[in-house]
Amino acid sequence: DGGITQSPKYLFRKEGQNVTLSCEQNLNHDAMYWYRQDPGQGLRLIYYSQIVNDFQKGDIAEGYSVSREKKESFPLTVTSAQKNPTAFYLCASSIGRQGRADEKLFFGSGTQLSVL
Amino acid sequence: AQTVTQSQPEMSVQEAETVTLSCTYDTSESDYYLFWYKQPPSRQMILVIRQEAYKQQNATENRFSVNFQKAAKSFSLKISDSQLGDAAMYFCAVNAGGTSYGKLTFGQGTILTVHP
Repeated sequence: DGGITQSPKYLFRKEGQNVTLSCEQNLNHDAMYWYRQDPGQGLRLIYYSQIVNDFQKGDIAEGYSVSREKKESFPLTVTSAQKNPTAFYLCASSIGRQGRADEKLFFGSGTQLSVL
Repeated sequence: AQTVTQSQPEMSVQEAETVTLSCTYDTSESDYYLFWYKQPPSRQMILVIRQEAYKQQNATENRFSVNFQKAAKSFSLKISDSQLGDAAMYFCAVNAGGTSYGKLTFGQGTILTVHP
């Protein structure tokens, strides 16, 4: 079955440590996204990528980095510069037809990141 | 910029009854889409329904329908014949397309409880 796989499900970060969240999709989608969800709040966009080897900052990119070397993969690194990293992180993808606002986003099952 | 406001942090409904979740939004774009996503306890985001701003007719998907009031920038979700499986957090979202495509802006969410 096609879908989006996020790993790990739970992740713990020590002070000063960088951690990487994995996101893989086999839907042949061009566009991929990372969202952050804090308790009692909606999702906020961290980074998005419309095509391989290209990505743009979302609304809260500070302290995060991404890469898009393969169409299927869009890993997110939470750097030590992110002072409040505890949150639920959701990866999503869409077909990626440029300029279209009606695209359905397909979401992964998320990674809960906590600070030790 | 886009904003979405869900003024009801929590709502409850009896099984088989009808409930309406409220959402207001703001965008400077003339072409945009509105979405309702459901996040059950599994935390996987699921698309419930979407509405194009240009369409006068309200979208319907089985027991789910919307009341789209463009002038008032209101986009409420009605769930008829509520079922226990409808219990979840519901998010309203807007996507204005163009250079912003895929950049869904979400509201804060409404937790829906369904009582048997």
